[in-house]
Amino acid sequence: AQSVTQLGSHVSVSEGALVLLRCNYSSSVPPYLFWYVQYPNQGLQLLLKYTSAATLVKGINGFEAEFKKSETSFHLTKPSAHMSDAAEYFCAVSEDSGGSNYKLTFGKGTLLTVNP
Amino acid sequence: DSGVTQTPKHLITATGQRVTLRCSPRSGDLSVYWYQQSLDQGLQFLIQYYNGEERAKGNILERFSAQQFPDLHSELNLSSLELGDSALYFCASSVVASGLNEQFFGPGTRLTVL
Repeated sequence: AQSVTQLGSHVSVSEGALVLLRCNYSSSVPPYLFWYVQYPNQGLQLLLKYTSAATLVKGINGFEAEFKKSETSFHLTKPSAHMSDAAEYFCAVSEDSGGSNYKLTFGKGTLLTVNP
Repeated sequence: DSGVTQTPKHLITATGQRVTLRCSPRSGDLSVYWYQQSLDQGLQFLIQYYNGEERAKGNILERFSAQQFPDLHSELNLSSLELGDSALYFCASSVVASGLNEQFFGPGTRLTVL
């Protein structure tokens, strides 16, 4: 069964500092991986997705993630944090097993705080 | 704005009651997914419909049911409500039922059971 582990439920960075949010996945077949962001009292918005086209994926708002099969990781990074990046971030995996199971399995989420 | 609408935005009800949450997918999206977000369980997949048919089920309680109508909107019915059902319920939609397709999320319905 697929699963996602996000290391660190809370990450705090200074404005302008590097953002690194960690995600490791477990999947029995080549996965499709996603990062979503949730701002307070809002729904989830897709930041980026990995669908096997390229291992380094660029998303919106300056975020990117690198798929590393050997490490089963899909960490999210941004070179310079902005105050507006403060939100909760979710890593998710979707397996296309050929059956009818296309659900997203989410990690527990990482709350990003950006300090001025 | 994702294009997915959910009503109502907030719902407060009592234990033992029954409620219906409604979701309208993005124009052209055939697949609808329901998720529950709670503090203790996180984001959990409940059920998926594709073009009116149930496609996948997650940890959905027997007290919960859903359907997708011919106009593609979906309803999630929660009955015999318990305090533990208090959560944020999200609907998401995608063009097709495929693992690589992005799911677009609605703003959610916050259910409070008193």
